[in-house]
Amino acid sequence: AQSVAQPEDQVNVAEGNPLTVKCTYSVSGNPYLFWYVQYPNRGLQFLLKYITGDNLVKGSYGFEAEFNKSQTSFHLKKPSALVSDSALYFCAVRRLSGGYNKLIFGAGTRLAVHP
Amino acid sequence: EPEVTQTPSHQVTQMGQEVILRCVPISNHLYFYWYRQILGQKVEFLVSFYNNEISEKSEIFDDQFSVERPDGSNFTLKIRSTKLEDSAMYFCASSDGDSTTDTQYFGPGTRLTVL
Repeated sequence: AQSVAQPEDQVNVAEGNPLTVKCTYSVSGNPYLFWYVQYPNRGLQFLLKYITGDNLVKGSYGFEAEFNKSQTSFHLKKPSALVSDSALYFCAVRRLSGGYNKLIFGAGTRLAVHP
Repeated sequence: EPEVTQTPSHQVTQMGQEVILRCVPISNHLYFYWYRQILGQKVEFLVSFYNNEISEKSEIFDDQFSVERPDGSNFTLKIRSTKLEDSAMYFCASSDGDSTTDTQYFGPGTRLTVL
């Protein structure tokens, strides 16, 4: 069965420092991985996805994620955090079932960026 | 940028009542989804819908739930005889394809409170 794990409930970072939000996955077959962000009172916003190709995926708002097959990880990164990056971040894996797809989400990691 | 919209943002209902949650997917999208997030828990898949038919549903999506595309723009989730445990944030999503490379775009959610 496909699943994702986000081992940290919360990550605290000082503004200007690099940030990493961790995600590990378990899939049978090729992984199709996604990151979404949820700001307060907003829906889930798509950040980036890994389908195939380069292990470093670039996305919105300066975020990137590194796919590591040997470690079954897909960590979200940003070189310099902003206070406005404070939000809830979800990693998800796409499950292919009968030709239709659903997303399986991790529990989410709350990112707090301090001035 | 096109967005998925949902109404209402917050719905309060009495146990046993029926509610209809409404969504307007992105206009050229053909695949529609409902997810829910019980407070403090993971975002979980409910149902996917294509060509006026349910394409996949989770074990949560029992006879209490139904979905409909009543016209060319709206996509609705009906919950009959609501229970306290139906209290959650309900997210609608849409995509323009169902392959593993397609991205699902989410609405801002409807918070359902069952009293």
